[in-house]
Amino acid sequence: ETGVTQTPRHLVMGMTNKKSLKCEQHLGHNAMYWYKQSAKKPLELMFVYSLEERVENNSVPSRFSPECPNSSHLFLHLHTLQPEDSALYLCASSQDIILAGEQYFGPGTRLTVT
Amino acid sequence: AQKVTQAQTEISVVEKEDVTLDCVYETRDTTYYLFWYKQPPSGELVFLIRRNSFDEQNEISGRYSWNFQKSTSSFNFTITASQVVDSAVYFCALFNTNAGKSTFGDGTTLTVKP
Repeated sequence: ETGVTQTPRHLVMGMTNKKSLKCEQHLGHNAMYWYKQSAKKPLELMFVYSLEERVENNSVPSRFSPECPNSSHLFLHLHTLQPEDSALYLCASSQDIILAGEQYFGPGTRLTVT
Repeated sequence: AQKVTQAQTEISVVEKEDVTLDCVYETRDTTYYLFWYKQPPSGELVFLIRRNSFDEQNEISGRYSWNFQKSTSSFNFTITASQVVDSAVYFCALFNTNAGKSTFGDGTTLTVKP
């Protein structure tokens, strides 16, 4: 596999469920990102990790919990979500954040909360 | 605070026409990066170009060209001789190197008709 992969591609979950989104990058990058893309809203940066340490948290509700076990993997753990959390969740990676190398995006996970 | 404005929500052109997508940004930082991404119907954002705040040279890549003007805080994108495959949502983004923070515009939906 090359580039940035995300699983699952589609997810439907109830408000009481717990699920996790997975992102994997095969580019040797040191920075990884989670974005949320909702209909009629701009792309929202949720979390930034650099060398497995979180460097940015844009006031994201605690029902979203990121995890970066190593520089190639990034997870987004979901619990007790709300219907308004339904969106496309995109993962991205870049060489690093200081030089702002271009971000490579995965195909996204389309999440529907019922 | 930083902001990216893409005033054109939707643009529709006929194949072979030239089209310019506008992007205006606001930031207090002196060092930043500007990006353009393309999001085709498949959903995956594709990196097109990166520009740093100290490089105002315009760039041309095939049918694509970018005009960066710091004096007007604009980073416009022109597609020459548009093709149906250019139909997509195009996002302009600003990257703050100090905080690793990305801000995306709302996107412009371009439809190129045969």
